[in-house]
Amino acid sequence: LAKTTQPISMDSYEGQEVNITCSHNNIATNDYITWYQQFPSQGPRFIIQGYKTKVTNEVASLFIPADRKSSTLSLPRVSLSDTAVYYCLVVTVYNQGGKLIFGQGTELSVKP
Amino acid sequence: KAGVTQTPRYLIKTRGQQVTLSCSPISGHRSVSWYQQTPGQGLQFLFEYFSETQRNKGNFPGRFSGRQFSNSRSEMNVSTLELGDSALYLCASSLEGSYNSPLHFGNGTRLTVT
Repeated sequence: LAKTTQPISMDSYEGQEVNITCSHNNIATNDYITWYQQFPSQGPRFIIQGYKTKVTNEVASLFIPADRKSSTLSLPRVSLSDTAVYYCLVVTVYNQGGKLIFGQGTELSVKP
Repeated sequence: KAGVTQTPRYLIKTRGQQVTLSCSPISGHRSVSWYQQTPGQGLQFLFEYFSETQRNKGNFPGRFSGRQFSNSRSEMNVSTLELGDSALYLCASSLEGSYNSPLHFGNGTRLTVT
């Protein structure tokens, strides 16, 4: 099962673009890369999922290079409300379901 | 649509006791998975149920068990509680399974073992 490594913490200012990179060296062919956001005292919230190249939705973009050994979550123009912990995880298909391995997460602090 | 509901929100138990946590998934979701979150170990996968059958299990001792009912509601049981079981227990539901559809998490049950 693929293990992920991401920075423990990052600081940013309102209005900046934030890029959080995650390493997943032993990702398998059928694995997907997913990012979640978690606020204190709440469960994680799905942000974006991708397999390769680039995926974009209304809140973020996900960049995955051809070798898929890393991925970068891009948050455009962050605000104070984006202060949270961001988890990169690789979802491995297993027994027709998934096995999710969460990393330690990146604590993003957005300052005014 | 109502989100994932976990009850109770807080629980205090004594070592050696057992505890049952409950999770009501989003209507129409057939997969429910459970996670343990602690400051030291982070988020760890416990197990996943789909249509009342356990699909996958994480690396937890047999004291941790679960089940899913025909209405997709799920319960998790921990027997012979240890101090190290103190954690936030999260439940998540998804439409078809944690592999091919996003997880929707509840806000968890905070379990304290004294």
